[in-house]
Amino acid sequence: DQQVKQNSPSLSVQEGRISILNCDYTNSMFDYFLWYKKYPAEGPTFLISISSIKDKNEDGRFTVFLNKSAKHLSLHIVPSQPGDSAVYFCAASGGGGSNYKLTFGKGTLLTVNP
Amino acid sequence: EPEVTQTPSHQVTQMGQEVILRCVPISNHLYFYWYRQILGQKVEFLVSFYNNEISEKSEIFDDQFSVERPDGSNFTLKIRSTKLEDSAMYFCASSEQGTGQETQYFGPGTRLLVL
Repeated sequence: DQQVKQNSPSLSVQEGRISILNCDYTNSMFDYFLWYKKYPAEGPTFLISISSIKDKNEDGRFTVFLNKSAKHLSLHIVPSQPGDSAVYFCAASGGGGSNYKLTFGKGTLLTVNP
Repeated sequence: EPEVTQTPSHQVTQMGQEVILRCVPISNHLYFYWYRQILGQKVEFLVSFYNNEISEKSEIFDDQFSVERPDGSNFTLKIRSTKLEDSAMYFCASSEQGTGQETQYFGPGTRLLVL
């Protein structure tokens, strides 16, 4: 059951450049999407979210884009910093009568090189 | 900044033993959740809890699992008879209203190892 997919297990970028993390979903009932960042041995930390009625949400260096027709969202980090190195999870809620649970992707390990 | 806390950070137990994982959600939040992440796999939803009742549970959350809010601050996950495959990171989360379009805030997790 892969309703949320992050097809890139890892991504490496140079400090100061843009990081683009991608996420695809299959359940058209999802109406809220979130990005979490996770360091080893810690819990997921909320970064940014977007409702399905929007196509873009921005918070500082982080921007999330949602393309509903393609069932695709992306997280842009500009400029990338070494402290951004972590696993990034895409998550979605609202699928098929369930308003509560989050469905997660497998995560993308981002490495920002100084 | 308010945060979700979890204890213990690590728990080692023998197969067949009972374990209780504890969580203190953010104080003004009304909805509570448990998730788990088996090593190398996705974070998976286990159960959501509101007003002293289970709101939703996954197929993973079978009869060996139970949740409770024993007092005004704690939220617990009990595994009655642990199995090897219960070894995972267990995350507690909470949200303000449980509308489905809101952020769930996660605790640091409890690493459970069943031997």
